[in-house]
Amino acid sequence: AQSVTQLGSHVSVSEGALVLLRCNYSSSVPPYLFWYVQYPNQGLQLLLKYTSAATLVKGINGFEAEFKKSETSFHLTKPSAHMSDAAEYFCAVSQMYSGGGADGLTFGKGTHLIIQP
Amino acid sequence: EAGVTQFPSHSVIEKGQTVTLRCDPISGHDNLYWYRRVMGKEIKFLLHFVKESKQDESGMPNNRFLAERTGGTYSTLKVQPAELEDSGVYFCASSRGWNTEAFFGQGTRLTVV
Repeated sequence: AQSVTQLGSHVSVSEGALVLLRCNYSSSVPPYLFWYVQYPNQGLQLLLKYTSAATLVKGINGFEAEFKKSETSFHLTKPSAHMSDAAEYFCAVSQMYSGGGADGLTFGKGTHLIIQP
Repeated sequence: EAGVTQFPSHSVIEKGQTVTLRCDPISGHDNLYWYRRVMGKEIKFLLHFVKESKQDESGMPNNRFLAERTGGTYSTLKVQPAELEDSGVYFCASSRGWNTEAFFGQGTRLTVV
């Protein structure tokens, strides 16, 4: 079984400050890891994904995440927060089937990112 | 290219009634997923179609939920009879391949009263 833990249901940062959203996972096999963002009244949008290539993954809107196997972590960062980054962020994991294919995503509970002017 | 479309965007029904949610995936996407988010909890996987076949339905809560994907195109998720605990936001997602990006719809907010 796999699981995802996101630390902090709400994270508040000042505009221009570093954004750090934490995600830890558990998986019995090498995982695929994802970060999604949901803006108000919209669907989930993929920010970035890790699929066993480079451990530092760059995504859209200046976000990046680093896969650390020893820490079972996949934290999301952005050097400088912008007001438009205010949204809910979800970390997710999936596993690849031995015969090909991947199972559905297992999500964390989400973190609301609040940007203070 | 149109994105994943879900109908209706909101639905309020009484306990015991039937509701059918619809998802139109992106054209050409063989993989279609249903997820649900109950208020205050995480988004949970319900099931996965590959074309018209159910690849994985391990997340379906119980037999009051029935999902179909006619001809491998759009999908419906029927809840019959609805219970209060079925309230939540139901998301649909589609992807071209199993290892390609999944695109999500805006969700259907279901409220059972």
